[in-house]
Amino acid sequence: KQEVTQIPAALSVPEGENLVLNCSFTDSAIYNLQWFRQDPGKGLTSLLLIQSSQREQTSGRLNASLDKSSGRSTLYIAASQPGDSATYLCAVRPNNAGNMLTFGGGTRLMVKP
Amino acid sequence: DTGVSQDPRHKITKRGQNVTFRCDPISEHNRLYWYRQTLGQGPEFLTYFQNEAQLEKSRLLSDRFSAERPKGSFSTLEIQRTEQGDSAMYLCASSPQGASNTEAFFGQGTRLTVV
Repeated sequence: KQEVTQIPAALSVPEGENLVLNCSFTDSAIYNLQWFRQDPGKGLTSLLLIQSSQREQTSGRLNASLDKSSGRSTLYIAASQPGDSATYLCAVRPNNAGNMLTFGGGTRLMVKP
Repeated sequence: DTGVSQDPRHKITKRGQNVTFRCDPISEHNRLYWYRQTLGQGPEFLTYFQNEAQLEKSRLLSDRFSAERPKGSFSTLEIQRTEQGDSAMYLCASSPQGASNTEAFFGQGTRLTVV
């Protein structure tokens, strides 16, 4: 059974810092990995999707990398801003388990002005 | 089309009552998913539709839960005889069918509180 873990569970940084969020998964046979942002009481906003054949994806100040063989992904946020404060979730889509996403528990990020 | 739409956004119900939620996916997406999220946790998969066919159901989906997508467009999720443990955020997502792009887009969710 696929398990997804995100470390740290919570993170507080001053504005302007570069930071890295970690995601690990136990079964490397994944189809793709997706990073989401969730604001309190809201739904999920897709940030980046990495296919299993890709190593990284970039969007603005965000960069996500994937090392499938070691079961790891990182989300790098450059020059953090207070507006980045949210919970960040990673999710993997398995090769052989249909179409469901398996999520990590999320990292709750607070960027202080 | 502005994205996945869910209704209602919030629902408070008494234990034992039935509730129904609606999800309207992005119009060209034929795949639709329901997830449940409790406080401080990541979402957990409940069920998946491709067009009108319900192809996967999680063991989390007890027999009090039923989901439909009768015309392959909007979907409903009904919970019968609600229990306090059903209190959660219910999230709907949709994605296109293409083999190379299965990016999932989520709605704003329905927050259920069972009192």
